[in-house]
Amino acid sequence: DAKTTQPNSMESNEEEPVHLPCNHSTISGTDYIHWYRQLPSQGPEYVIHGLTSNVNNRMASLAIAEDRKSSTLILHRATLRDAAVYYCIPGDDYGGSQGNLIFGKGTKLSVKP
Amino acid sequence: DSGVTQTPKHLITATGQRVTLRCSPRSGDLSVYWYQQSLDQGLQFLIQYYNGEERAKGNILERFSAQQFPDLHSELNLSSLELGDSALYFCASSVMMEGARNTEAFFGQGTRLTVV
Repeated sequence: DAKTTQPNSMESNEEEPVHLPCNHSTISGTDYIHWYRQLPSQGPEYVIHGLTSNVNNRMASLAIAEDRKSSTLILHRATLRDAAVYYCIPGDDYGGSQGNLIFGKGTKLSVKP
Repeated sequence: DSGVTQTPKHLITATGQRVTLRCSPRSGDLSVYWYQQSLDQGLQFLIQYYNGEERAKGNILERFSAQQFPDLHSELNLSSLELGDSALYFCASSVMMEGARNTEAFFGQGTRLTVV
């Protein structure tokens, strides 16, 4: 399993963009990069995932480095509700395996009003 | 609401006892996963069932077992409980069919187990 390195914590101001970095230098060629987040007192929640190209959805954008050794989750306008622990997880995307996720310590994002 | 239902929400029991945690996956999801989250270990994958059969095992203790029933709900059985088993237990579900890609896992709200 690929190891990941994420900052322990980050702070952001409300309505400003947030860039959450992740290093995954040992990622395999076929592993996707998944991002999940866990809000206080809740179960983890899927955010986004991608393989090589940058990806966008209604929640966030994912920028993947050309060598795939790092990626950045971008929240375009942070809200108070985005305060959570964000996990970067390399892993398989094959049907049936999406939930075999190896969670690291993640980045705790605080959002200030 | 993720569509994954876990019961009970809270459970307090004594050391040495046995408990059963229940998970109802999203309608139609064939895979169910169990996770344990404790303060010192973080989120740890325990076990996965796919359409009634065990598919993958993680850091699951021998005192713990799980099963998935024909209606796809799952139960996690924890026996000979120790103080260190106190944790949040999450269930997740995914996948409508084998081979499906670009899907995600949906997590329930968890069961908080306290062993006293």
